[in-house]
Amino acid sequence: EVQLVQSGAEVKKPGESLRISCKGSGYSFTSYWISWVRQMPGKGLEWMGRIDPTDSYTNYSPSFQGHVTISADKSISTAYLQWSSLKASDTAMYYCARQTATTSHYWGQGTLVTVPS
Amino acid sequence: EIVMTQSPATLSVSPGERAILSCRASQSVSSNLAWYQQKPGQAPRLLIYGASTRATGIPARFSGSGSGTEFTLTISSLQSEDFGIYYCQQSQNWPPAYTFGQGTKLEIK
Repeated sequence: EVQLVQSGAEVKKPGESLRISCKGSGYSFTSYWISWVRQMPGKGLEWMGRIDPTDSYTNYSPSFQGHVTISADKSISTAYLQWSSLKASDTAMYYCARQTATTSHYWGQGTLVTVPS
Repeated sequence: EIVMTQSPATLSVSPGERAILSCRASQSVSSNLAWYQQKPGQAPRLLIYGASTRATGIPARFSGSGSGTEFTLTISSLQSEDFGIYYCQQSQNWPPAYTFGQGTKLEIK
């Protein structure tokens, strides 16, 4: 069974750093890209970027380029999304998804990041 | 940047009736269009990919059609469990992007 299991909810202060994770299982982790998707409270879905776990090649949405870093450790089938300095506007649910060229067939359960202002 | 526009914003349909959701792309995306359903507190679930192919385990009452810039998701006979927000998503090769529409909220009347 394909599963993407994300790390737990986080409450951080503005200016703090954070890394959240997404562990894949039930498939060959290097055979698919991993995308990250943001959902701000009460809002829609926004694609942030993707990573090829084979070589850690990344693509970012222009809206998120420079604000977050996507990485992966294929030895433990885990992808990461990280911030160096959080802002209150980073408060959102973040999903990882197994990405083909066109579709996200499998999704993680989501990680809620809260940054009180 | 390709912009995806969904209509209507909210749709109220009685059980057993047909629901038709629309998605328009600002430029052609060929058949690179997927539909997702999201219920409160849950991750999105893939319904349709390639504009018209049902994902594994998706009931036959869900169907997708269209190509280019105009797409439709049809739920032929609405069930109570079909409530939620429906998103379309396009994919483009270069620069890589997977843009979502703003969503259609489907309410059970």
